[in-house]
Amino acid sequence: GDSVTQMEGPVTLSEEAFLTINCTYTATGYPSLFWYVQYPGEGLQLLLKATKADDKGSNKGFEATYRKETTSFHLEKGSVQVSDSAVYFCALSVIQGAQKLVFGQGTRLTINP
Amino acid sequence: DTAVSQTPKYLVTQMGNDKSIKCEQNLGHDTMYWYKQDSKKFLKIMFSYNNKELIINETVPNRFSPKSPDKAHLNLHINSLELGDSAVYFCASSPTGVVTEAFFGQGTRLTVV
Repeated sequence: GDSVTQMEGPVTLSEEAFLTINCTYTATGYPSLFWYVQYPGEGLQLLLKATKADDKGSNKGFEATYRKETTSFHLEKGSVQVSDSAVYFCALSVIQGAQKLVFGQGTRLTINP
Repeated sequence: DTAVSQTPKYLVTQMGNDKSIKCEQNLGHDTMYWYKQDSKKFLKIMFSYNNKELIINETVPNRFSPKSPDKAHLNLHINSLELGDSAVYFCASSPTGVVTEAFFGQGTRLTVV
């Protein structure tokens, strides 16, 4: 079935460090791919998305490129801030009568000043 | 102006009780969802409704019964609560017919004691 695998967390970095969170997926067909972010005590917010191969999603300095050949959608940011501390979820979207999001296990990111 | 709102935010109850969680969206979306987030932060879809019709039911115990009185509301009723039902429950909505982001509520933390 469809699934998403993210790198194990937690991840702890210093401010201004480079961030990569790996995400790979298994899917039949051509899913859309998403990164969601969950700040403490809040619901999920869309961070970025890509709907077809080679698309690059970007927002707030974060980027991810839809790589069909490696079935990956790794999240990157060049210089993280303390305010980026959150849990990050990679997800794919499949249609089963309705759109259904399949999530990875989440990666907790902590940025120290 | 909250887009997807859930009540209550916290719910503590004893085993065997019946409880409901309410969800409302003011985005004009036709599709609404319930997702469950377990203690390890893993998110999984439970139900999806489109225009008050059940579309997705992901092998959830029949103690869980969603109800959609209109397309802006999707409530979740849980009978005979068990310890294992303790989790955070998220309501979400999205437009129909396109693969797009889902908008999430802030979650309801259910604790069964």
